[in-house]
Amino acid sequence: AQTVTQSQPEMSVQEAETVTLSCTYDTSESNYYLFWYKQPPSRQMILVIRQEAYKQQNATENRFSVNFQKAAKSFSLKISDSQLGDTAMYFCALGSYNFNKFYFGSGTKLNVKP
Amino acid sequence: DVKVTQSSRYLVKRTGEKVFLECVQDMDHENMFWYRQDPGLGLRLIYFSYDVKMKEKGDIPEGYSVSREKKERFSLILESASTNQTSMYLCASILSGGNVETQYFGPGTRLLVL
Repeated sequence: AQTVTQSQPEMSVQEAETVTLSCTYDTSESNYYLFWYKQPPSRQMILVIRQEAYKQQNATENRFSVNFQKAAKSFSLKISDSQLGDTAMYFCALGSYNFNKFYFGSGTKLNVKP
Repeated sequence: DVKVTQSSRYLVKRTGEKVFLECVQDMDHENMFWYRQDPGLGLRLIYFSYDVKMKEKGDIPEGYSVSREKKERFSLILESASTNQTSMYLCASILSGGNVETQYFGPGTRLLVL
């Protein structure tokens, strides 16, 4: 069975500081994808960053980067220079290789304080 | 611009009513999904469709059915709404195939069953 675990229900960070959100997963598949999604309050869910499991290099998108540890089945998200607009619920997700199944964690609510 | 739309943002229904939630995407995506989002549980897959008239059960299909008569439209049906179906419902779509892609989400429908 595929599972995704986010152990931090809520986190806070000061504006301009760095924060790391944790995610662990379990899968028996050899090919899969990992995603972080952001859901701002009352707004649409959008993709933050994605990682192909067969790639060793950690993905980076501007201020967002991941620490992908395949053996440990860990996929954490680092947000650098946090901005007020980063305040949102963040979901870690595991996608099957053929994109017909996605499994989501329970989410981490991030509050960026001025 | 990518677009997934859902017919209603907010819906209030009575126990026992038949409820239709509509989702439309304009990206010619093959795969479409219905999730429900509950606090502390993240997103859970209700049903998935990979083609017109094709569907697969997700993790929590009980009490729901779906319809996909056209490629762009995927409907979720609550045959007889119950109070435990009060939730946020999210529709998503994705292009199938080998390229890394992500799901595009609709804005969600917040359903209250009284």
